[in-house]
Amino acid sequence: RKEVEQDPGPFNVPEGATVAFNCTYSNSASQSFFWYRQDCRKEPKLLMSVYSSGNEDGRFTAQLNRASQYISLLIRDSKLSDSATYLCVVSAPHGDSSYKLIFGSGTRLLVRP
Amino acid sequence: DVKVTQSSRYLVKRTGEKVFLECVQDMDHENMFWYRQDPGLGLRLIYFSYDVKMKEKGDIPEGYSVSREKKERFSLILESASTNQTSMYLCASSSSKLLRAPRTGELFFGEGSRLTVL
Repeated sequence: RKEVEQDPGPFNVPEGATVAFNCTYSNSASQSFFWYRQDCRKEPKLLMSVYSSGNEDGRFTAQLNRASQYISLLIRDSKLSDSATYLCVVSAPHGDSSYKLIFGSGTRLLVRP
Repeated sequence: DVKVTQSSRYLVKRTGEKVFLECVQDMDHENMFWYRQDPGLGLRLIYFSYDVKMKEKGDIPEGYSVSREKKERFSLILESASTNQTSMYLCASSSSKLLRAPRTGELFFGEGSRLTVL
């Protein structure tokens, strides 16, 4: 089982639609959670952190459910420019005193006119 | 803005060749990382470094080595390239004490080096 699992998609939605992605993680010791965005043939960039109480940044809302070990990302009023791959990222202990970031393989979103 | 620069965008090498991938960051970050990205597998951590001359193995270090002689530079070395090392290689850096206080998770990535081994 992968440490971080995402539906690869693609999710094909019209402009203006609301779309949600989920991600599950296997390590209950994970402490920090993030969504990154990766455009085609580009490097990943941090989209937003995910806090326990849930958080919102404009049209984007992230939620965390520790009990079920899943994270979600909701995008409202989708724009053409939202087309990208969204990577779920989770921190996990690595060795005695460090942590590392584990990346999901991503969910691809296509927003059509 | 943070800039992470990888020396080569595209490389084609032959099996058995030695390959150097260079990465330089200009923001005085302590932590630097090498990942490879393959379809369906996501980004996988090869090696990382949290200080000059320090290095730690990631999840898939076999067949790779690294060098960090200066704070701003982190090199990935393939001693004898093999076809299964054909991949996109991404370097990243982070200013946070990510490895010990993982609350901040911003990694700054370079544009990637696409390596093909024939």
